[in-house]
Amino acid sequence: AQSVSQHNHHVILSEAASLELGCNYSYGGTVNLFWYVQYPGQHLQLLLKYFSGDPLVKGIKGFEAEFIKSKFSFNLRKPSVQWSDTAEYFCAVRSGGYQKVTFGIGTKLQVIP
Amino acid sequence: NAGVMQNPRHLVRRRGQEARLRCSPMKGHSHVYWYRQLPEEGLKFMVYLQKENIIDESGMPKERFSAEFPKEGPSILRIQQVVRGDSAAYFCASSGLHITTFSNTEAFFGQGTRLTVV
Repeated sequence: AQSVSQHNHHVILSEAASLELGCNYSYGGTVNLFWYVQYPGQHLQLLLKYFSGDPLVKGIKGFEAEFIKSKFSFNLRKPSVQWSDTAEYFCAVRSGGYQKVTFGIGTKLQVIP
Repeated sequence: NAGVMQNPRHLVRRRGQEARLRCSPMKGHSHVYWYRQLPEEGLKFMVYLQKENIIDESGMPKERFSAEFPKEGPSILRIQQVVRGDSAAYFCASSGLHITTFSNTEAFFGQGTRLTVV
């Protein structure tokens, strides 16, 4: 069974600080990987996704993630966060050929002006 | 192309009543997923359906909860005899096939239904 671990549940950063959120998954085969963001009171929106190809994936709003197969990781990064990045971030995995998408517990990011 | 539509957005039920949550997937999508979100617990998978079929219901409580995705109409998540612990946000997502590559798309989420049991 696939599972997803997000290591940081709450992160507080000052504006312009760099961000890295950890995500590890358990499935050993072909995977699709996702990062979603949920702004306060809103639904989940896709930040970026990895299906195949270049393991460094660029998403919206300056976010990027790197798929490292040997480490079963898909960490999310942003060089300089803004107050508007305050939200909850979810890593998710879908194993190849099977449609169920499994989410991590989420990381709440608070950016202080 | 309308996104995933969920209704109602907010639902209040007394203990013992039934709650029906509706989800219309994006046009062309045939996969529907239901998730429950509780504070500090993240998004918990409940059930994955394709048209007229339940593919994976490993996250559904054994009693009181059921889901369907009929050939026509929205997917329905039904909670019978609700209890206070059912209060949560319930999100529906859908996915389908890319029209050119026929690979599977990411899941697109609806706005959610916030259920409050009083």
